[in-house]
Amino acid sequence: AQKITQTQPGMFVQEKEAVTLDCTYDTSDQSYGLFWYKQPSSGEMIFLIYQGSYDEQNATEGRYSLNFQKARKSANLVISASQLGDSAMYFCAMRERNTGGFKTIFGAGTRLFVKA
Amino acid sequence: DSGVTQTPKHLITATGQRVTLRCSPRSGDLSVYWYQQSLDQGLQFLIQYYNGEERAKGNILERFSAQQFPDLHSELNLSSLELGDSALYFCASKGSQETQYFGPGTRLLVL
Repeated sequence: AQKITQTQPGMFVQEKEAVTLDCTYDTSDQSYGLFWYKQPSSGEMIFLIYQGSYDEQNATEGRYSLNFQKARKSANLVISASQLGDSAMYFCAMRERNTGGFKTIFGAGTRLFVKA
Repeated sequence: DSGVTQTPKHLITATGQRVTLRCSPRSGDLSVYWYQQSLDQGLQFLIQYYNGEERAKGNILERFSAQQFPDLHSELNLSSLELGDSALYFCASKGSQETQYFGPGTRLLVL
C-alpha cells in the first residue's frame, strides 16, 4: 500500500505567487516525522523542512511552510513568493520506526515549474 | 554542500560485475542511510547503519550488502549486477536532529 501519496505529478506557478504541493501519508505509528526535499535537475537532494508528529505548530523555514493536518494525515508544502530557482522535483517523505532503527519512505514526487 | 561525500560520482560497468560505492558522513554523524533512485521505482530506502551496526532494512536485494566502518564511513556493495540496477544511489547521514543530509549520489550505469 502506498504510504506517501503525492497526487500532483506536475505543477505550474507564476513567479512571485504562492504554491501548495500536496502530500498525504499513511501510518499506524504515533511517533513519526514528515519531511520535504527538493531535487533540482542537477540531482542533489536538498532538505527543506521537517515536522514531527507531536509538533503542535506548523513548521516554517523561510519561504517554506508545512501545513500539517494530523487528523487528515496530510502534510502539504507551501512555497511563498515562488522564484525561478524553485523549479525542481519536490519529494514528501515520512520517517517511521523499522525494527531497531528508522526508515524513510518517499513519495513519487511533484515536478514544479515556475514561470517568469 | 551537505558535508556528505560519495565516491565515485559516476560508474559504468557490465552485467554480472560487482561494484562498491563509498560514503563519508558529515563529521560527527553516526547514522548512515542508503537509498536507490530509479525511474521506475522512485526513491527507495535500502538500509540504515548506526555507529557500525545495521539498524533498519528496506527493499535491499540479497545481491546488495553494506557495512559501516569504525571511522563511520560506509560502503554499499552491489554484486551480480543486472541492467535494472542502473540508478542513482544516495547515502545520507543524520546526527542528533531529525534531518538526513544527502550526499551528491553515485550514478551507476550497468551495460
